[in-house]
Amino acid sequence: GENVEQHPSTLSVQEGDSAVIKCTYSDSASNYFPWYKQELGKRPQLIIDIRSNVGEKKDQRIAVTLNKTAKHFSLHITETQPEDSAVYFCAAIGSDMRFGAGTRLTVKP
Amino acid sequence: EADIYQTPRYLVIGTGKKITLECSQTMGHDKMYWYQQDPGMELHLIHYSYGVNSTEKGDLSSESTVSRIRTEHFPLTLESARPSHTSQYLCASSILAGEETQYFGPGTRLLVL
Repeated sequence: GENVEQHPSTLSVQEGDSAVIKCTYSDSASNYFPWYKQELGKRPQLIIDIRSNVGEKKDQRIAVTLNKTAKHFSLHITETQPEDSAVYFCAAIGSDMRFGAGTRLTVKP
Repeated sequence: EADIYQTPRYLVIGTGKKITLECSQTMGHDKMYWYQQDPGMELHLIHYSYGVNSTEKGDLSSESTVSRIRTEHFPLTLESARPSHTSQYLCASSILAGEETQYFGPGTRLLVL
């Protein structure tokens, strides 16, 4: 089955700086990679996703990159704001679906 | 509006009681899931279902059961609640194949005394 590792587990940045969260996966059959944001006390919500036939996708301040050969994908947040503070989860989906363990991002004003 | 609904949102119950957490979705999705999550921590898959009359075990399934009699409804039952069951329970759904983005319900916070 699939195994997803996510790093770092916690990340603290100053407002305006960039944040990068990395995930690796094990199953070469995985072909869809969503990222979720979970604010305190709320449900996880999809913020961006990428498919295996694409290397990079961007949506305003958020971007995701995928390296299929190395089996890793990353979330990039630029010009971070305090409202970006949350727990972020990556996931890998193919024949199986697994979430990463989460990254707690804190953006200091 | 298409959404996922969970009831109750909060539940306090004594040890040994049988409880059922309700989940229903109007997303038109075939696949449904139950996760256990301590606040801000990892999502642990408990059970999932591909559709009516389908139920599969996840990583934490041994102390609970599920049923899928209707497409839109996927209740989770704890036969005998214990303090170790204190957690948040999240229901999710997705289409069956292809883009399996999961959409989550608001969760049920359970406290077992």
